[in-house]
Amino acid sequence: SQKIEQNSEALNIQEGKTATLTCNYTNYSPAYLQWYRQDPGRGPVFLLLIRENEKEKRKERLKVTFDTTLKQSLFHITASQPADSATYLCALGDSNSGYALNFGKGTSLLVTP
Amino acid sequence: DGGITQSPKYLFRKEGQNVTLSCEQNLNHDAMYWYRQDPGQGLRLIYYSQIVNDFQKGDIAEGYSVSREKKESFPLTVTSAQKNPTAFYLCASSTSGTGLSGNTIYFGEGSWLTVV
Repeated sequence: SQKIEQNSEALNIQEGKTATLTCNYTNYSPAYLQWYRQDPGRGPVFLLLIRENEKEKRKERLKVTFDTTLKQSLFHITASQPADSATYLCALGDSNSGYALNFGKGTSLLVTP
Repeated sequence: DGGITQSPKYLFRKEGQNVTLSCEQNLNHDAMYWYRQDPGQGLRLIYYSQIVNDFQKGDIAEGYSVSREKKESFPLTVTSAQKNPTAFYLCASSTSGTGLSGNTIYFGEGSWLTVV
């Protein structure tokens, strides 16, 4: 069966450090992978998209890598701030789902001052 | 402002009742989606529609129904056949349903449904 796995344990880091979140998938052949941020009681908000032919994508303090051999994406937040505290969701889709996105359960990030 | 509007924000349903969650978008998007999120869980796809008058079942469609009569609207009905409907429901849209270009999904603010 298809699976998208993210660290279930919350990640606690100190302000200014780099946060690294992991997304692993099985039985997908995604053309792209996306990362979203979700605050409590709110809808997710799109952050970054990376395509299968891209190794790395950056946007301000965010960096995403995509390894289709390992079937893994890493999401980095550099110089983290307390405002970065949220749940981060990995999402991908392929032809089996009609390209509708399927989401991982998310990893909760807490950045402390 | 452009966006996705879900209503109501909070809804209570009695056992055996059908309820309908509204979703309207003014982004001129072709594709629309409904996801369900349970506490501490990820989003699970209920239904999606790539074009008006067409929709497909997602992973957990049983007990739900949808319609797509207008491009802007994609209401979700939670029927009495859905045995555990208490959850946070999210409506979303994207420019195209094919996803081949890697469409970003835009979400509404969600609707909380509780069975009483």
